[in-house]
Amino acid sequence: EVQLVQSGAEVKQPGESLRISCKGSGYTFTYYWINWVRQVPGKGLQWMGRIDPLDSDVNYSPSFQGHVTISVDKSISTAYLQWSGLEASDSAIYYCARLEVGTTGVGYWGQGTLVTVSS
Amino acid sequence: EIVMTQSPTTLSVSPGERATLSCRARQSINSNLAWYQQRPGQPPRLLIYGASTRAAGIPARFSGSGSGTDFSLTITSLQSEDSAIYYCQQYNNWHSFGQGTKLEIK
Repeated sequence: EVQLVQSGAEVKQPGESLRISCKGSGYTFTYYWINWVRQVPGKGLQWMGRIDPLDSDVNYSPSFQGHVTISVDKSISTAYLQWSGLEASDSAIYYCARLEVGTTGVGYWGQGTLVTVSS
Repeated sequence: EIVMTQSPTTLSVSPGERATLSCRARQSINSNLAWYQQRPGQPPRLLIYGASTRAAGIPARFSGSGSGTDFSLTITSLQSEDSAIYYCQQYNNWHSFGQGTKLEIK
């Protein structure tokens, strides 16, 4: 069974750094890109970027370029999303997802990680 | 970044009726469009890909159509469980989502 399991909820202060994770299982991790999607509570979905676990090639949405870093450790089948200086506006639910629906007809999503940034 | 625009923002329909949701891309995305359903507290669930192909396990009440820039999702014989937010997503050029349509069952 394919699973994307994300790390738990985080509460941080503005300016702090943070790294959240997404561990894939039930498939060959290096075969499929991992995407990160943001959802501010009560708002829509925003695609942030994606990483190829095979070679760590990363594409960022222009809206998030320079504000977050996407990385991967293929040896433990885990992708990461990190911030070096959180802002209150980063408070949201972050999903990792496999979005290759056009080729596989299946979409897989993690359960989401709630990040709260507040002083 | 391809901008996706959904309409209407909110749709209220009676049980047993039909709902039609629209999605427009600012530039052609061929048929590289998916529809998702999201219920409160859950991640999105894939309904349709390739603009018109139902994902596994999705009832035939859900159908998608369109190509190029204009797409629609039609849900017939509406049930209370269909109450959710529906998103379109293009995957022709990286990814982007529409802002969502909230479907309410009266």
